Parts: sequence; structure tokens; C-alpha cells
Amino acid sequence: DTGVSQNPRHKITKRGQNVTFRCDPISEHNRLYWYRQTLGQGPEFLTYFQNEAQLEKSRLLSDRFSAERPKGSFSTLEIQRTEQGDSAMYLCASSNTGLARNEQFFGPGTRLTVL
Amino acid sequence: RKEVEQDPGPFNVPEGATVAFNCTYSNSASQSFFWYRQDCRKEPKLLMSVYSSGNEDGRFTAQLNRASQYISLLIRDSKLSDSATYLCVVNRNDMRFGAGTRLTVKP
Repeated sequence: DTGVSQNPRHKITKRGQNVTFRCDPISEHNRLYWYRQTLGQGPEFLTYFQNEAQLEKSRLLSDRFSAERPKGSFSTLEIQRTEQGDSAMYLCASSNTGLARNEQFFGPGTRLTVL
Repeated sequence: RKEVEQDPGPFNVPEGATVAFNCTYSNSASQSFFWYRQDCRKEPKLLMSVYSSGNEDGRFTAQLNRASQYISLLIRDSKLSDSATYLCVVNRNDMRFGAGTRLTVKP
């Protein structure tokens, strides 16, 4: 499978715990994006990387959230001191800026439930 | 005001109907435009890009009006399998999604 993969697919945690999600993009894609989606809403942009550089962060990304893409390949999204409001689907997408339309391809997401 | 606004829906239509979705965006610097489809509990998948001159892909037609900052999607001869949420997407360096319009096609 050469698509975007995310792990874990589901995560249940207690409030106050830290969680980390991983995204493996399509191998030739230089951009990687993180989104959060809650029920009945479209995906909300969180942050994106071009290679290993984090180029933009949404105001939605509080100090408890941090993302890395250390080698310009896979990325991790960490949430510290989780809150119930963090419960959502976390989606990763990747794209290749060398292509004219910069279309994004999404992974299956990680569903986080904070109890 | 949200950056990308869509018809709230839901749309419930019979098989074979024609249905149109509208979308407006607020940032005139937006560079490219897409319609994505999202099935229940699945990730969004690209349905089609939207070009300035308008474009068609089988039963689907997309239109863009940059002056009015308006995007549309027309589905002709709708099928049961078209039932999904349709997301309007506007791209600058990142993608801004509308909240989506839910379509249910009934036999």
C-alpha cells in the first residue's frame, strides 16, 4: 500500500495523559499536513511541513500540541495533558508541490477519545 | 464568518435526480479549488479539481466564479453510491475546508 498511513487508528486515553500519533506520507511527497475533524464539521487545518520545516501553525494548535517531521519523512503529533475537548479525528495528508495542483491525499485518521 | 461556507444540507434526493451544491470563500488570494468526498467514518478523497473555465468529469460538473468567490458542484443522474458528504476546499498554502454538505440518494 503506497498511500498515507496513520497509527494508531484509535486511541482512548484518560484526561491529563499525553498521546502521540504517527503519520507516514506517500514517499515522494514533500508536504505533510495535520488536520482535526469533529462530528459534522470539515477538517480543520492544524499545521503543515515542507520537508522537515514546519511552515505554518494554526491558532487552533495550542501549546499542548506539538508536531515534528525530523527527517522530512514521517511526522508525529503529540498532545500533552489531553482534555475532553481534544476528542476528534486527527487526519494527516500529504502532497507534492512539484505537481501543478498540489492535491492532498489523506490517511485514514486516528480517532482520539479522551475520557 | 468562516473562510469557506457551504450549503448546510442535508440533501435527500431520489435516484436519477440532479443536485447542485454551492460554496463561497472569503479569501480572494485563494489559488486552487477542489471538491472532496467523504464517506461516513472515512477520510476525505479528492472528487475533482475546479478550474476557472469550469470542468466536467462524467456526471459531475464543477464551476468557479473568482469575481464572486463562488464554487459549485452539479451531480447529474445521481446514484445511490453518490451518498456522502461533499466538502468544498480552497487552497492557498494550506487547505481550508467547508463544513460539508451531506447528500443521501434514495431508491
